[in-house]
Amino acid sequence: NAGVTQTPKFRVLKTGQSMTLLCAQDMNHEYMYWYRQDPGMGLRLIHYSVGEGTTAKGEVPDGYNVSRLKKQNFLLGLESAAPSQTSVYFCASSPWGPATEAFFGQGTRLTVV
Amino acid sequence: DAKTTQPPSMDCAEGRAANLPCNHSTISGNEYVYWYRQIHSQGPQYIIHGLKNNETNEMASLIITEDRKSSTLILPHATLRDTAVYYCIVRVNYQLIWGAGTKLIIKP
Repeated sequence: NAGVTQTPKFRVLKTGQSMTLLCAQDMNHEYMYWYRQDPGMGLRLIHYSVGEGTTAKGEVPDGYNVSRLKKQNFLLGLESAAPSQTSVYFCASSPWGPATEAFFGQGTRLTVV
Repeated sequence: DAKTTQPPSMDCAEGRAANLPCNHSTISGNEYVYWYRQIHSQGPQYIIHGLKNNETNEMASLIITEDRKSSTLILPHATLRDTAVYYCIVRVNYQLIWGAGTKLIIKP
């Protein structure tokens, strides 16, 4: 049981380049999330999805887009990368319900130069 | 903005109980308190959660005050592998609102 898998684990981008981060979960969870974590800080929610075909903005959505075409996958896109988007990105998923545990991937370390 | 306040760091001797406090004085009646930890910048790991009753599982105990304005996470017998950043989080609808957490260092 793989849980939540993020691809890639590391990436270096030049300013202005685009890329897509992939998150895949095999637990049939309804909810999926994308967070970013900057040094010494907690996680901040970028976008989330409460089901296939639905997405919503979190705390810090600017500069990012997401898609959830399949229940098991949640994609995070950067259309034109900026140095301020240098961060560690975490994907998570959880079952439906107000008191459910979220499972996290191991993170993607992104550097924009 | 984070809805919780935690001390930035704490030490605990190996084998002793580690008690991590959290203040959440603005929590609403239907919002849950969650605890996660993060070891060496890995993905956060779920520990426990609760609404108003005390909770216990194989990892830890969660004590929530009667007025729900604060809580304490208890690791009963801390080991060196428990060294991590511990986050106390309030769940608001679908979202977990994260603060900066407490860096817990377990000393031999």
